[in-house]
Amino acid sequence: DAGVTQSPTHLIKTRGQQVTLRCSPKSGHDTVSWYQQALGQGPQFIFQYYEEEERQRGNFPDRFSGHQFPNYSSELNVNALLLGDSALYLCASSPERGNEQFFGPGTRLTVL
Amino acid sequence: EDQVTQSPEALRLQEGESSSLNCSYTVSGLRGLFWYRQDPGKGPEFLFTLYSAGEEKEKERLKATLTKKESFLHITAPKPEDSATYLCAVQSIYGGATNKLIFGTGTLLAVQP
Repeated sequence: DAGVTQSPTHLIKTRGQQVTLRCSPKSGHDTVSWYQQALGQGPQFIFQYYEEEERQRGNFPDRFSGHQFPNYSSELNVNALLLGDSALYLCASSPERGNEQFFGPGTRLTVL
Repeated sequence: EDQVTQSPEALRLQEGESSSLNCSYTVSGLRGLFWYRQDPGKGPEFLFTLYSAGEEKEKERLKATLTKKESFLHITAPKPEDSATYLCAVQSIYGGATNKLIFGTGTLLAVQP
């Protein structure tokens, strides 16, 4: 049973560029959440997708957007990258009525 | 505001030296408290969910307990492979339709042979 997968593993961008990160949820899960984890910090909730719609957003600007596809996979897009966007981006999946979230390995984004 | 505070920030133990990690939380209504293990550069690995005060869960050398204000992760006779960052997170019953997690900053555990 494949767990949560994310791609790419690492990414280097320059300020002002745009980036797209991808996530495939664990088999049987239909809800995908995205988190940002800065170095030495705990993960911070960005938003959650269910039934192809954004269900809730954390305290992140509109430069952060997402999408969920009919097969439940998801993308996170970040526009106009800032140095402060450098972080580990984590995707987590869960069944719609489940409390436990299972995380992928993350994408390490470096903005120069 | 819902908040999670973990202590200590870092802990160094000798192999076999038991200890506890603390997670203090403030939440309007607790739906669940979660413990995760995170290795460097990797995603968090789910360990336990606790739902009500007095509940306990065990897995190998780890035991998690919950009170109305805090949770403890007890590590008995740790081994070097237990070295990792341990994250605590809560979910609020007032979190709307989502099950979003509110994390602490973690405890970095190093177990020396």
